[in-house]
Amino acid sequence: GENVEQHPSTLSVQEGDSAVIKCTYSDSASNYFPWYKQELGKGPQLIIDIRSNVGEKKDQRIAVTLNKTAKHFSLHITETQPEDSAVYFCAAYGGTASKLTFGTGTRLQVTL
Amino acid sequence: DTEVTQTPKHLVMGMTNKKSLKCEQHMGHRAMYWYKQKAKKPPELMFVYSYEKLSINESVPSRFSPECPNSSLLNLHLHALQPEDSALYLCASRMTGMDEQYFGPGTRLTVT
Repeated sequence: GENVEQHPSTLSVQEGDSAVIKCTYSDSASNYFPWYKQELGKGPQLIIDIRSNVGEKKDQRIAVTLNKTAKHFSLHITETQPEDSAVYFCAAYGGTASKLTFGTGTRLQVTL
Repeated sequence: DTEVTQTPKHLVMGMTNKKSLKCEQHMGHRAMYWYKQKAKKPPELMFVYSYEKLSINESVPSRFSPECPNSSLLNLHLHALQPEDSALYLCASRMTGMDEQYFGPGTRLTVT
């Protein structure tokens, strides 16, 4: 089945700096890659996603890139703010599993 | 509107109790999901309903019993749970033919 690895597990940045979280997947048939933000005590919130026919997608301060050949995708957050502090999960969907397979999560802390 | 609602927000139950978790969405989504999430871990898929029929059961113990009474509602009946079943239970939904999956806020379950 699909396996998604996510790094780093924790990330601390100063307000205004950029943050990058990286994921790799194993099933070349996966074709949809969402990113979720989960704040303490809340459910995961879909913040951005990318499909396998696209290499990059941007939405204001967040962007996602996908390298299908390397089976690698990344989340980029620019001009980080304290409210960006949360746990971020990458996921992969499609292929043989037909279900979302999540990465292990990255705890992002934005300090003042 | 991408809202999935869940009740109750918190639930404490003894090992001999019977209780139910409820999930509701009015987005016309025909795929609905139950996930279990332990602290500092990603969501773990339990069940998938597609057009009100159970399509995936991830080998979940029979003390968890899902039910989909109609296209907007999803229940999870709980009976004779163990302390290790304490977790955040998340409901999610997805429009069939689309990829985006939206999560509810979850029910924090504690089994004593």
